[in-house]
Amino acid sequence: GNSVTQMEGPVTLSEEAFLTINCTYTATGYPSLFWYVQYPGEGLQLLLKATKADDKGSNKGFEATYRKETTSFHLEKGSVQVSDSAVYFCALGGFKTIFGAGTRLFVKA
Amino acid sequence: GAVVSQHPSRVICKSGTSVKIECRSLDFQATTMFWYRQFPKKSLMLMATSNEGSKATYEQGVEKDKFLINHASLTLSTLTVTSAHPEDSSFYICSARVPGSVGRTEAFFGQGTRLTVV
Repeated sequence: GNSVTQMEGPVTLSEEAFLTINCTYTATGYPSLFWYVQYPGEGLQLLLKATKADDKGSNKGFEATYRKETTSFHLEKGSVQVSDSAVYFCALGGFKTIFGAGTRLFVKA
Repeated sequence: GAVVSQHPSRVICKSGTSVKIECRSLDFQATTMFWYRQFPKKSLMLMATSNEGSKATYEQGVEKDKFLINHASLTLSTLTVTSAHPEDSSFYICSARVPGSVGRTEAFFGQGTRLTVV
């Protein structure tokens, strides 16, 4: 069945460091791919999405490219801020959204 | 984007009592909503799919009689945790997708409800 594998956290970075959170998926067909962010005590917010191969989703300095050949959708940001500290979920679209395990990011000032 | 509102955001209840959580789609009609449970520092576990006008579809291992789901209108689904016990304490989140957009458009999530059973 469909599944999402995300790198385990927590990830701790200093402010202005480069961020990569790996995500790979297994799916039949070509589903949409998403990154959601969850701030402490809150629900999930859509961060970015890509609906087909080679699409690049971007928002708030974050980017991810839908790579069909490597079945990946890695999240990147060139310079993280303390306010980016949160849990990030990679997700596979479909009737039921399938989530990765989540990666907690801590950014130190 | 579409808005999904969940209420209450926090609730504390005594063991043995029941708690109802509401999930509303504010600017679209949702024939299907989803209920998730999130354990501390864990991912989201899909509990059930709520279908307007019909019975909910529960995931394997989820007790139907413990977690009652009602989807009486196109904009409201409710989750009732019956005879709550401390092990039911968790973060519950609902989501909905704009009809006709399966797979291609993101799901919209409520703010979540932190349930604490004492």
